[in-house]
Amino acid sequence: GEDVEQSLFLSVREGDSSVINCTYTDSSSTYLYWYKQEPGAGLQLLTYIFSNMDMKQDQRLTVLLNKKDKHLSLRIADTQTGDSAIYFCAETYTGTASKLTFGTGTRLQVTL
Amino acid sequence: GAVVSQHPSWVICKSGTSVKIECRSLDFQATTMFWYRQFPKQSLMLMATSNEGSKATYEQGVEKDKFLINHASLTLSTLTVTSAHPEDSSFYICSAPDRGLTGELFFGEGSRLTVL
Repeated sequence: GEDVEQSLFLSVREGDSSVINCTYTDSSSTYLYWYKQEPGAGLQLLTYIFSNMDMKQDQRLTVLLNKKDKHLSLRIADTQTGDSAIYFCAETYTGTASKLTFGTGTRLQVTL
Repeated sequence: GAVVSQHPSWVICKSGTSVKIECRSLDFQATTMFWYRQFPKQSLMLMATSNEGSKATYEQGVEKDKFLINHASLTLSTLTVTSAHPEDSSFYICSAPDRGLTGELFFGEGSRLTVL
């Protein structure tokens, strides 16, 4: 089955950039997502990228996709304490009402 | 954006009792909803796909009789944990997809179940 892997923990200083990485195994993935989960809460969609794109930028967020290496990254510029959360990447091969395969989640800790 | 709401957000129950968790799409209709379980510091594990007007589709290893799912209307799906035991304690999250091409999922706030 599909497998989505992330590093477990990342610590950055406030104001620095954060880069969260994700690797996946399903070559037929067509949609890749980044979700944010704050403590005790559900998931919030941050951004998504289609597999025919290499990069997508949305304000402080930049998503890079290397389809050849099946590698996805999320860069958060000027990281703030409010960015502290768990970040999940997820992938699916269909576009509608489909099941997502989630990564293991990366806990981002922002220090002063 | 679309809103999905879960209720209750937090429940404590005694072992052997049943607990019902509701998932509602507040401003859109959802023929499909997904139920996940999340253990502490772990990812979401899909339990089942709830289908309006028909039986739910369960993932391998998920007990159908233990986790009853009912999708009675286009805006409501319920998950009932029957005869709950301490090992059922977990964070349960539902989601519903929009109908656009992105397949974006909207997640509920989650329901934390603690079984004593």
